[in-house]
Amino acid sequence: EVLLVESGGGLVKPGGSLRLSCVGSGFTFYAYSMNWVRQAPGKGLEWVSSISGSSSKIQYADSLKGRFTISRDNAKDSLYLQMSSLRAEDTAVYYCARDDYYEGIDYWGQGTLVTVSS
Amino acid sequence: DIQVTQSPSAMSASVGDTVTITCRASQDISHFLAWFQQKPGKVPKRLIYAASSLQSGVPSRFSGSGSGTEFTLTISNLQPEDFATYYCLQHKNHLTFGGGTKVEIK
Repeated sequence: EVLLVESGGGLVKPGGSLRLSCVGSGFTFYAYSMNWVRQAPGKGLEWVSSISGSSSKIQYADSLKGRFTISRDNAKDSLYLQMSSLRAEDTAVYYCARDDYYEGIDYWGQGTLVTVSS
Repeated sequence: DIQVTQSPSAMSASVGDTVTITCRASQDISHFLAWFQQKPGKVPKRLIYAASSLQSGVPSRFSGSGSGTEFTLTISNLQPEDFATYYCLQHKNHLTFGGGTKVEIK
């Protein structure tokens, strides 16, 4: 069974930093690209960032303007999102999601809530 | 970047109705489109991938069609458990979600 488990969310002040983690199991982690997708309260889904299995291809949503960094450690079956200069509008549930090239996102984690507030 | 326009943003329907939701991409994405259903407080669930392939375990009343720039999700014989928000996702170049369609009970 494919499982994705996020952690690291919480309350952070504007301008602060936070690192999210996602551990995958039940599949060959290094063989898949992975994504971070977020959803602000009451809003739609927004793609944040993607990373290929070997970390050779990394992409970000233009709206992030260089504040977030995606990475992975295949030895630990783990995906990360380093978030800095956080703003109130970054408040959202952040999902880790597995990517199949031909089929798109096929599995999601349960999400971790990030709240940016003073 | 590829933009995806989903319509309508909300709709009311009755049990037994047939519902159609459309997504238009700003450029040709071939068949690189998926459809998801999301209920409040829950993780999105994939219904359709590759524009028209039904995800295993999803009822056959859900169907997808289209290619290129125009895509459709059709729900036939709407059931009470189908009242939810639906999203399309293009994955031809980066990922772009449609804005969502909330299907409410009439």
